[in-house]
Amino acid sequence: DAGVIQSPRHEVTEMGQEVTLRCKPISGHDYLFWYRQTMMRGLELLIYFNNNVPIDDSGMPEDRFSAKMPNASFSTLKIQPSEPRDSAVYFCATSGQKNQPQHFGDGTRLSIL
Amino acid sequence: AQSVAQPEDQVNVAEGNPLTVKCTYSVSGNPYLFWYVQYPNRGLQFLLKYITGDNLVKGSYGFEAEFNKSQTSFHLKKPSALVSDSALYFCAVRDPGDKIIFGKGTRLHILP
Repeated sequence: DAGVIQSPRHEVTEMGQEVTLRCKPISGHDYLFWYRQTMMRGLELLIYFNNNVPIDDSGMPEDRFSAKMPNASFSTLKIQPSEPRDSAVYFCATSGQKNQPQHFGDGTRLSIL
Repeated sequence: AQSVAQPEDQVNVAEGNPLTVKCTYSVSGNPYLFWYVQYPNRGLQFLLKYITGDNLVKGSYGFEAEFNKSQTSFHLKKPSALVSDSALYFCAVRDPGDKIIFGKGTRLHILP
C-alpha cells in the first residue's frame, strides 16, 4: 500500500499564476478530502468527494479555487489566479466507510510570492 | 452542530511521566471519535478511534484514549512519555454527513 500520494511536495510561484495540486488516493477508498493547513487558521476542510462526486465544497474559500475528481484514482485542486494569502500546506486525505480513519498524504507546501 | 475542543495549545511533560492531551466534543447522535498525530513536514497519522464498545481504546505507539460520555470527553493518554512523542496532536469527530471535524491541535513537548 503506497498510501496517499500528493504532488508536487513543494511549489513556489508568483501571484497570478495558476497552481494545480494533485492527489492519488488509496485504491478502494470511497472518500477523498482536500484540506488546507496554516498557522493562523489550523486545518480547514476545503471540499470532499464520495465516489468521485463532490459532496460538500462549502469550505472552498473563493471561486478561484476548484477541485475535480475525474476518476477514482486521481483528484486535482486548482487555484487560478493564485494570491500570496493562498500560501499554506495543502493535504489530500482518503478513507473508506464512515467509521474508518482518514489516511493523509504528506501535503504540498505552496508558497505564492 | 458538531464540534471538537482541545483546550490546551501546548502540553509539556517530562520524559517518563504520564501524559494526557485533552479533548471534548459536541455531537448529535453517537460519536465517531479519532486521534491523529502530525510530525514536522508530514501528513496526519491515525492513532486510534472510538466507535462503540469499551470506553478505553488502545492505539498505536502505546497511546490510549478514554471515552467518557457523561463528560463528552475523549482524552488521549500514555503511561510513560518518550521524547519521540513530541508532535502535534489532533482530536477529531466524524459528523453524520461524513465530514471529519478536527480540533485546532495540541502541541506536545516531551522534555528529556
